[in-house]
Amino acid sequence: DQQVKQNSPSLSVQEGRISILNCDYTNSMFDYFLWYKKYPAEGPTFLISISSIKDKNEDRRFTVFLNKSAKHLSLHIVPSQPGDSAVYFCAASANGQNFVFGPGTRLSVLP
Amino acid sequence: GAGVSQSPSNKVTEKGKDVELRCDPISGHTALYWYRQSLGQGLEFLIYFQGNSAPDKSGLPSDRFSAERTGGSVSTLTIQRTQQEDSAVYLCASSLQGSNQPQHFGDGTRLSIL
Repeated sequence: DQQVKQNSPSLSVQEGRISILNCDYTNSMFDYFLWYKKYPAEGPTFLISISSIKDKNEDRRFTVFLNKSAKHLSLHIVPSQPGDSAVYFCAASANGQNFVFGPGTRLSVLP
Repeated sequence: GAGVSQSPSNKVTEKGKDVELRCDPISGHTALYWYRQSLGQGLEFLIYFQGNSAPDKSGLPSDRFSAERTGGSVSTLTIQRTQQEDSAVYLCASSLQGSNQPQHFGDGTRLSIL
């Protein structure tokens, strides 16, 4: 039973437009969420996080939104750039130490 | 470099052999994680070390898998009597002590069982 779901395996967006990556979770005890980006043959790199006491966190072109009642979070990238093409993983934690990762969404930003 | 280092980067071995994968975490990071990513799948948690506490082994898929962390630093993941379904990328991550610390990942070891 997947506790963290990313229902879109892939997403294509035109350069300069907004990319929206979605993540849903089932465990209501999760209170900390992160997004990671992964290029081929490299390990995931941390992008941005959000605590359940907030509903939005912004860092440059990246914004994460959290809707606790819907158990849903999303990552917005604007404007999208070709270098953003990667696999994006959503991760969640209930204790701040053990993290459950989603299956990932492959983003392709088309020039 | 100051990042998480994993070795080897690639390992090809025959079914039934034992393999050892190594992880050097970032200096000062007390937490260390092992994950597995099979082809087309997400990251599957295997084991978690935090300081001197007993490791969380709840993700290890079978008793053929074991891991140790010597001196609170380097960790080795051992797979005994490898099977073809063990083929995957094995990722190690480390983080600072405390809650809600982002994990820093190595580039992984790609394990192929023939």
